[in-house]
Amino acid sequence: DTGVSQNPRHKITKRGQNVTFRCDPISEHNRLYWYRQTLGQGPEFLTYFQNEAQLEKSRLLSDRFSAERPKGSFSTLEIQRTEQGDSAMYLCASSLVREVTDTQYFGPGTRLTVL
Amino acid sequence: DAKTTQPTSMDCAEGRAANLPCNHSTISGNEYVYWYRQIHSQGPQYIIHGLKNNETNEMASLIITEDRKSSTLILPHATLRDTAVYYCIVSEFGATNKLIFGTGTLLAVQP
Repeated sequence: DTGVSQNPRHKITKRGQNVTFRCDPISEHNRLYWYRQTLGQGPEFLTYFQNEAQLEKSRLLSDRFSAERPKGSFSTLEIQRTEQGDSAMYLCASSLVREVTDTQYFGPGTRLTVL
Repeated sequence: DAKTTQPTSMDCAEGRAANLPCNHSTISGNEYVYWYRQIHSQGPQYIIHGLKNNETNEMASLIITEDRKSSTLILPHATLRDTAVYYCIVSEFGATNKLIFGTGTLLAVQP
């Protein structure tokens, strides 16, 4: 399968613990996006990378959140000192910017439950 | 905030065409209309996008009105596996191209 992959698919943690999620984009896609989705809502933008540069962060991304894309390939999203309000589905998408369109393809998501 | 308005839910009989409307009255000239769908507990799936002209692919057709203030996604022969939340999004190709999702339309395909 050559789609976007995310690991783990599910993560249960206790409040106060740190968690890290990984996203592997479609090969050669130069943009990578992170979104968060809570129950009953549509996904919300968190941040995005063009190659290895993080170019925009949403105000939703508190200083407990950090994202990296060290070599412009896979990306990690870390949440420090998790809170119950962090419980959500974390979605990754990738795209290849060319011409005038930038279609994003999503991975299956990582569902985080903070107890 | 999302720039689109969609009905909260719709029903469709299996084998019939599903027509999902979307209003985007404030769309600007360089904004595209994208459609995604999300089957329960999965990531959103890209369906189709367009700027001005009607578009068709193997999944669906997209009809955009001449004034571009509304569009309709057509699934020609709905199946039970098409039951999902369908999101209509307007997005400008540019610096970010982040997608701003609303709450979408829950399409329930009935047997």
